[in-house]
Amino acid sequence: AQSVTQPDIHITVSEGASLELRCNYSYGATPYLFWYVQSPGQGLQLLLKYFSGDTLVQGIKGFEAEFKRSQSSFNLRKPSVHWSDAAEYFCAVSYNNNDMRFGAGTRLTVKP
Amino acid sequence: DTAVSQTPKYLVTQMGNDKSIKCEQNLGHDTMYWYKQDSKKFLKIMFSYNNKELIINETVPNRFSPKSPDKAHLNLHINSLELGDSAVYFCASSQGTGGNIQYFGAGTRLSVL
Repeated sequence: AQSVTQPDIHITVSEGASLELRCNYSYGATPYLFWYVQSPGQGLQLLLKYFSGDTLVQGIKGFEAEFKRSQSSFNLRKPSVHWSDAAEYFCAVSYNNNDMRFGAGTRLTVKP
Repeated sequence: DTAVSQTPKYLVTQMGNDKSIKCEQNLGHDTMYWYKQDSKKFLKIMFSYNNKELIINETVPNRFSPKSPDKAHLNLHINSLELGDSAVYFCASSQGTGGNIQYFGAGTRLSVL
């Protein structure tokens, strides 16, 4: 079955520290890959996406993600976290249809 | 201008009632979706409409009935509400099929008492 795994339910980092959120997918072929962020009480906002080409993609708010086919991973990174980055982060995959599957989400807490 | 707007933002109702959530997008997209986010933040697709035609209908009780009067609107009607229906419901839209970016509304928090 197609699935998206975010192994970390909750991550806490200090402000200014680097961040990496993990995402693994289990599809037969390379899907379309996305990272969304959900601030408390808000809808989902797209951070970045990977369709093809360069495996390192840049997104908004200083985020980037790297697609690694050999590991079926699409991890999200940020070199220096800001307090405003505290939110829920969702990895999502989509194949050749409109069906987008989301991971369970990773809640990011930022310590002062 | 809000791209994908949902109303109401909050909905509190009693078990057994019938309620509707409205969604409108002004992005000119041809595909719209409804998602349910449970208390553990897990997001699951419920329905997808492309050009007013139903194309995804996950395993959802038939008490849930989407209605798409035109490409810009996808409303969700729920009959005989149950406690387990309490969740946040998100509407989204995209242009075309495949891996196109979906734009989300702010969500409707439904509480069934």
